Amino acid sequence: KAGVTQTPRYLIKTRGQQVTLSCSPISGHRSVSWYQQTPGQGLQFLFEYFSETQRNKGNFPGRFSGRQFSNSRSEMNVSTLELGDSALYLCASSKGDQDNEQFFGPGTRLTVL
Amino acid sequence: EDQVTQSPEALRLQEGESSSLNCSYTVSGLRGLFWYRQDPGKGPEFLFTLYSAGEEKEKERLKATLTKKESFLHITAPKPEDSATYLCAASNSGYALNFGKGTSLLVTP
Repeated sequence: KAGVTQTPRYLIKTRGQQVTLSCSPISGHRSVSWYQQTPGQGLQFLFEYFSETQRNKGNFPGRFSGRQFSNSRSEMNVSTLELGDSALYLCASSKGDQDNEQFFGPGTRLTVL
Repeated sequence: EDQVTQSPEALRLQEGESSSLNCSYTVSGLRGLFWYRQDPGKGPEFLFTLYSAGEEKEKERLKATLTKKESFLHITAPKPEDSATYLCAASNSGYALNFGKGTSLLVTP
């Protein structure tokens, strides 16, 4: 069974640009969650999508947005990039039920210069 | 405010030297307590989910336990390949995981 895939694996952008990251969940999983990981803050929840609907959102500014498609694939977008957005962005998929066992992808390493 | 705290931040063990990692949580309406392992440059790898106080789960040299305020990850006779960062996370809504900062474990031969 294929795991969670994320593309691209690495990105370098400059301040003010925008970026789109992609995530393909495990087959049969309908929930996709996004997390930001930094050395200082650790893993922080961004948002979660289930059946194309955002069910939950973390405490991040509106520059961070996401969406989910009918095939459960998800994208997240960050507009007007800031230096502090440099981080590992992780996607996790789950069945979407209350047990919520989440399986993570390898992440996208974003560097903002 | 929901909070998850892990200790110690870093732990160095000799191969074969058993120990425990701690995860304290203050989460209203806990739905699940999760343990993950993360290797450098990789995404977290799922280890265990615990749902109620008194529950225990085992996998090879690892055993996770849960009380009403804490969870422990016991590592028995660790090997160098057990070196990694171990992350604990709590869920109350069922949709978002609240992670601790992790314990960085180094097992030396």
